[in-house]
Parts: sequence; structure tokens; C-alpha cells
Amino acid sequence: NAGVMQNPRHLVRRRGQEARLRCSPMKGHSHVYWYRQLPEEGLKFMVYLQKENIIDESGMPKERFSAEFPKEGPSILRIQQVVRGDSAAYFCASSPPVWVDEQYFGPGTRLTVT
Amino acid sequence: KQEVTQIPAALSVPEGENLVLNCSFTDSAIYNLQWFRQDPGKGLTSLLLIQSSQREQTSGRLNASLDKSSGRSTLYIAASQPGDSATYLCAVRTSGGSNYKLTFGKGTLLTVNP
Repeated sequence: NAGVMQNPRHLVRRRGQEARLRCSPMKGHSHVYWYRQLPEEGLKFMVYLQKENIIDESGMPKERFSAEFPKEGPSILRIQQVVRGDSAAYFCASSPPVWVDEQYFGPGTRLTVT
Repeated sequence: KQEVTQIPAALSVPEGENLVLNCSFTDSAIYNLQWFRQDPGKGLTSLLLIQSSQREQTSGRLNASLDKSSGRSTLYIAASQPGDSATYLCAVRTSGGSNYKLTFGKGTLLTVNP
């Protein structure tokens, strides 16, 4: 059973471009969480999604950021018109549809904005 | 609002030494607490998870304790090895409606010198 997969692992974008980060949860998992780790900071919750539903996006910046988890395919975190301050590691975690104690983390995508 | 603090921010020890990493949290109404390891440029590896009703958990050379009433947890590493060098993260899951969110500390960067 493959773990949580994220791609790309490293992404370089120029200011003003769009960044798309993908997360494939573990098999059988239908809940996805995105966290952001800014330099010298702890991981911070961004958004919680279930298939085709955004459950909690309270940690998402109000502008330029969006997330989706379609019925088929990976979850996508989209950042429009990236700025230098978006440079960070973005981690995805997943959990199964029944309540469990743990979220299982992917390897992260490291976004660098030049 | 839950806040997690980890002390020290960095620690350097000689190989073979026993050491303690500290984590404190402001809201004692937690569901569980988890210790992770993060290697440079890599994802998160879960080390130990302590339920709110538990006092400690052990795995090999690692022992984590939890004092919920005082808002503290410690991670004890026995007989440290160079391979233990990494950043150690503490994360809590707070009880209540948003109990799916993990709140992370900034981590302790551990260096074990041969």
C-alpha cells in the first residue's frame, strides 16, 4: 500500500505564475489535509477536504489560494499569481473515512518563487 | 487558540548521551499529542502518538510522556546516535469541533555528534 504521494517534489515558479500542487492520498483514504511550512516556522493547517467537499478552509489565505479534491484524481492546491512569500514546503496528509487517530503525511512539495 | 512551543530550538549532543526534548501547549483540552521526526528536505515520520488519557508511550529508545493538566510533553531519547540527527516536531490535536487540525510547534533541531 503506497503512502501519500505528492508531486512535484520541487517546484520553481516566477512571480506572477501559477503553482499547482498535487496530492494522492493513501488507498482507501477519502480525507485530505493541507499544511504549509514557512521557513523557520512550524507547519500550519490550511484546508481540510473530503471527496468533492471543502470542509474547513479557515487556514487558507483569502486570495490566490484554492483547493479541490474531485471525485476522481488527486487533490490539488492551486496558488495563483505567486509571490516570494509563498515560498514554503506544502505538506498533504490523508486519513480514512472512519475516525482514526492519525493523519498520514506525504513527502511535501517545496515551492520556490523567484 | 492552541499554541505549541518547543524548547530548545536546537540541541547538539555527543553520541551516546540521553536527552530530553520539551513541548508545551496552551490549551489542555487535547485529543492527542504526536511526536514527529523531519529529516532535511523530507516529509514527516510519526514517532509516537499519546492519547489524552495516556501518560506515556514507548518505542525502542524513545519514550514520550504527557502531562495534560500542565500542558507539557517530553520526548526522551536514550543512548543517542548520529542517525537520530533531525528536527523533532510536536503536534497536538485539540478537542472540539475542529479536532481534525494538528497544531505544530516549530521543532527542535537535534544534532548528535559522533
